[in-house]
Amino acid sequence: EIVLTQSPGTLSLSPGERATLSCRASQTIGTNYLAWYQQRPGQAPRLLIYGASRRATGIPDRFTGSGSGTEFTLTISRLEPADFAMYYCQKYGSSSETFGPGTKVEVK
Amino acid sequence: EVQLVESGGAVVPPGGSLRLSCEASGFTFDDYAMHWVRQAPGKGLEWVSLISWDGSDTYYGDTVKGRFTISRDNSKNSLYLQMNSLIPEDTAFYFCARINTALRAFDFWGQGTVVAVSS
Repeated sequence: EIVLTQSPGTLSLSPGERATLSCRASQTIGTNYLAWYQQRPGQAPRLLIYGASRRATGIPDRFTGSGSGTEFTLTISRLEPADFAMYYCQKYGSSSETFGPGTKVEVK
Repeated sequence: EVQLVESGGAVVPPGGSLRLSCEASGFTFDDYAMHWVRQAPGKGLEWVSLISWDGSDTYYGDTVKGRFTISRDNSKNSLYLQMNSLIPEDTAFYFCARINTALRAFDFWGQGTVVAVSS
């Protein structure tokens, strides 16, 4: 079973700064099988990135996904107030799904 | 517009049962496999269960296997989760989510329904 680890647990930044979030898999996973979600308080998760680097419909280009193998990164180039939220990575599986524990991006 | 609306959440005592529903609209329901994902208070996302487009295949997370049953009625555009032998650790928001196999990701989520297991 593949385990996803996200770091840091919490990222304290100011609006306008760059955020770099990491997702590490315990085994190599296919690039097409890694997604990122944003969850604001009181809301359902929202798909940001699929296939490790493809932005979902309506997602602004300040969100960038990258990586392969066991190391994946979500970068938010310039944080806006609405970007302060929880972020989860997820590995797609044919018979189960795996989520990372999440990274909280908070206002410094 | 794609919509997923969960219902059925409640406060139940340990050992009790509950059936959650998720009504889908805005897309061809039987074109998609569907999932339940839960989130305990202040915690992360936990995958619960998956059902194939026609209901022929079902899968469960280890923490709910043998206690929960996922099902669907494509004639009613509805997804269900029968939860038996509930324990306090099942307390969570329960989301239904559509898996887009082309994207290999959950592209739509409901807003969730709350289950609280407490005496």
